[in-house]
Formats: sequence, C-alpha cells, structure tokens
Amino acid sequence: DTAVSQTPKYLVTQMGNDKSIKCEQNLGHDTMYWYKQDSKKFLKIMFSYNNKELIINETVPNRFSPKSPDKAHLNLHINSLELGDSAVYFCASSYQGGRQPQHFGDGTRLSIL
Amino acid sequence: GQQVMQIPQYQHVQEGEDFTTYCNSSTTLSNIQWYKQRPGGHPVFLIQLVKSGEVKKQKRLTFQFGEAKKNSSLHITATQTTDVGTYFCAAFNNDMRFGAGTRLTVKP
Repeated sequence: DTAVSQTPKYLVTQMGNDKSIKCEQNLGHDTMYWYKQDSKKFLKIMFSYNNKELIINETVPNRFSPKSPDKAHLNLHINSLELGDSAVYFCASSYQGGRQPQHFGDGTRLSIL
Repeated sequence: GQQVMQIPQYQHVQEGEDFTTYCNSSTTLSNIQWYKQRPGGHPVFLIQLVKSGEVKKQKRLTFQFGEAKKNSSLHITATQTTDVGTYFCAAFNNDMRFGAGTRLTVKP
C-alpha cells in the first residue's frame, strides 16, 4: 500500500488555467506538507497543516490555496497558472509537527505551456 | 525562518572515493534529519540526530551532529554508483527547514 499518494503524477496545462493536486496519507500522521522543488532541486516548503489546521504558510502567491478536509488529506489548488509555477510539487506527512521523519509522495510534475 | 546552509552544492567523485556534505545553522537546532533523493525520485528519510555530538552509522554512511547542535555532516566511505542522488539535511528548531542539497554524481 502506498503510504503518501498524490495525484496526478504529471500535469501539463496552459498558462491561466486552474488546477488541483490531491494528496492522501494512510500512515495516521497528524501533519501534512506541500513542497515545491524547482529545476535546481531546492525544496521549498509552501504549507504545513497539523490536524487540519494551517501551521506554516510561507510567502507563496495567494493563487495557491491548500485545503485539508481531514488529517489524512491535503489538497493544493492553484489559480491562474503562470510559467514560473512549473516545478515538481511534493506532498509529505509526519507525526508531531515536523519533529519526526517526513514521508514524501512521488511528486506531481507540473508543466505550464 | 531559520536558515540552514548546506555545502557543497555539487560533488563529483570517482567510484571508491569518499564524499562528505555539511550543514550549518546560526541557531541551535532541536534535531537534524538527512534525506536522499535519487534522480527522478522523491526524498527518502535516512536518519535523525538529536543529541549533542551524536554519531550514527548506516553501513558506509556516517552521520554526525555537532557538539553545539549547530552543524551536521554526512560522510560516505568508498562511494558506489548506487549512491548517486541529492542529499538533503533538514533542521528543526521551531519548524523544519531543508538545506539546498548536495548533488552527488559518481563516475564508475
């Protein structure tokens, strides 16, 4: 069974569109994250939720909106996609708000045409 | 948020040579974690260090946490082609921050 699963794996779309990426974890973790990894491999945290509550909200454009319907799910919606949004987006989860190891999903490769 | 500096950014070695990557922080850290990301893959947790001066080993990998809990290192002895990837440190103070990563390539 996949521990942290994100869909879709690949997303190719045009500038200006709106898209969503879904993430689910079956590890029973209480904390979930979204990271953006650019072509230089920098892993930048975007958001973190603990028990459905937002605890980290880094300086990202407000076109990015996370939603956590329950502690096993953290989805990412992106409005008005721009060229600079092209990257790999990783979902991750852990216990105890980051003090414990994080488990990552396989990533969603977003390409903006 | 806290800054975690990781060096070098890239390292290219001949198979059999040793490799070390370093992480440094200006603030005292609660813990530090190390992850490996294979090309095309996702970061995978390797180890967590919590105690001052802690040293842990996993086969050819040696992890150290500094006495002041402000720096850490990952050393690989006699690299193999399977060691190729990007190694990240991740430091926890009030929240978890990843270093920029060290991309290791190994020439057979």
